[in-house]
Amino acid sequence: QVQLKESGPGLVQPSQTLSLTCTVSGFSLTSYDVHWVRQPPGKGLEWMGGIWGDGSTAYNSALKSRLSISRDTSKSQVFLKMNSLQTEDTAIYFCTRSVYYGLMDAWGQGASVTVSS
Amino acid sequence: DIQMTQSPASLSASLGETVTIECRASEDIYNGLAWYQQKPGKSPQLLIYNANSLHTGVPSRFSGSGSGTQYSLKINSLQSEDVASYFCQQYYNYPFTFGSGTKLEIK
Repeated sequence: QVQLKESGPGLVQPSQTLSLTCTVSGFSLTSYDVHWVRQPPGKGLEWMGGIWGDGSTAYNSALKSRLSISRDTSKSQVFLKMNSLQTEDTAIYFCTRSVYYGLMDAWGQGASVTVSS
Repeated sequence: DIQMTQSPASLSASLGETVTIECRASEDIYNGLAWYQQKPGKSPQLLIYNANSLHTGVPSRFSGSGSGTQYSLKINSLQSEDVASYFCQQYYNYPFTFGSGTKLEIK
């Protein structure tokens, strides 16, 4: 079945870089798009960006200068890197599968990231 | 960016009741609208896509409607397992944007 699983450090220091990995199974990264969505504690959802099946990327303009999304299709992994982290980047980070454009039909369990010294 | 305005922010209803959640887009999104359910401590799950199509495995008491800039999610015969937050999302254009959410509780 379709599965996505986020992994990465739970704690990041301010001004440092966040690196998260999304490992997928049950589908091919060349056939589906994968997006990253984050949710600050007790708040709503924010689309961060995504990587399309053809390998091209799209980013939320609010994060574009700090964000990079890439993948390794041989390992079925998608990577998120975001630099210059601040406390307001504390959130649960989800990777999601998209069946069409930005329609997200499967979500990972989420990775909790706290930005604190 | 397309802004999604969702209401109400919270909702309390009795078991068996029907509830409706509204979502308004800042411009026409041509039915590129999804609804997600997020139970406490869990990730969101897709309920409705294309404004009115039920995702696989979702109970038929959930339904979506609307067009243009106005959309709604209706839950008939409210069940205890429907306690959750609900989010609308437009995927007509990126950046894909979400409503602020509706927290549904049982009276």
